[in-house]
Amino acid sequence: DGGITQSPKYLFRKEGQNVTLSCEQNLNHDAMYWYRQDPGQGLRLIYYSQIVNDFQKGDIAEGYSVSREKKESFPLTVTSAQKNPTAFYLCATRDGLNTEAFFGQGTRLTVV
Amino acid sequence: AQKVTQAQTEISVVEKEDVTLDCVYETRDTTYYLFWYKQPPSGELVFLIRRNSFDEQNEISGRYSWNFQKSTSSFNFTITASQVVDSAVYFCALTPLGQGGKLIFGQGTELSVKP
Repeated sequence: DGGITQSPKYLFRKEGQNVTLSCEQNLNHDAMYWYRQDPGQGLRLIYYSQIVNDFQKGDIAEGYSVSREKKESFPLTVTSAQKNPTAFYLCATRDGLNTEAFFGQGTRLTVV
Repeated sequence: AQKVTQAQTEISVVEKEDVTLDCVYETRDTTYYLFWYKQPPSGELVFLIRRNSFDEQNEISGRYSWNFQKSTSSFNFTITASQVVDSAVYFCALTPLGQGGKLIFGQGTELSVKP
């Protein structure tokens, strides 16, 4: 089946640790995005990539890092510099401005 | 500034009632795209509709309809004869031109349909 796979579904992190969230797609879309969702709020853009080996900061990039070594993969690392990382993280892909974005099922990250 | 506002945080209706979710947007671009997404409790966002800024025709899809008015910068969503399965958080979003295709989301409206 074509789609976006995010893993893990739930992730627990100790303070001071880096963690990496996985996002894999087989839709052959060039653009990939990471969004963060906090309770009662809309989604905010962390990073995006329009092509392999290139990515740009979104609105809330501080404390996060990404890589785009393959078209299919866009992992997000939540570093210890992120002060409040507990949130729901959604990965999305898109095949052009005039098309809809497709979303993964999300990873819920909790700092313990 | 580019912004999407969904003023209704929560709406509760009884099954079979009609309900309208409001969306107001701000952008200086003349070309842009508007979207509605549904987020059920599972968390994944489900695409409902896309509109470009040059197409102000209203659209109906089954029990769902959308009213796009550029004059008031609004893109409202109406569910007719609501059902319990419509309970979810609904997001309105804007894609401006030239910003990598990012979506700017409203805060979302949580719709609860009671039997």
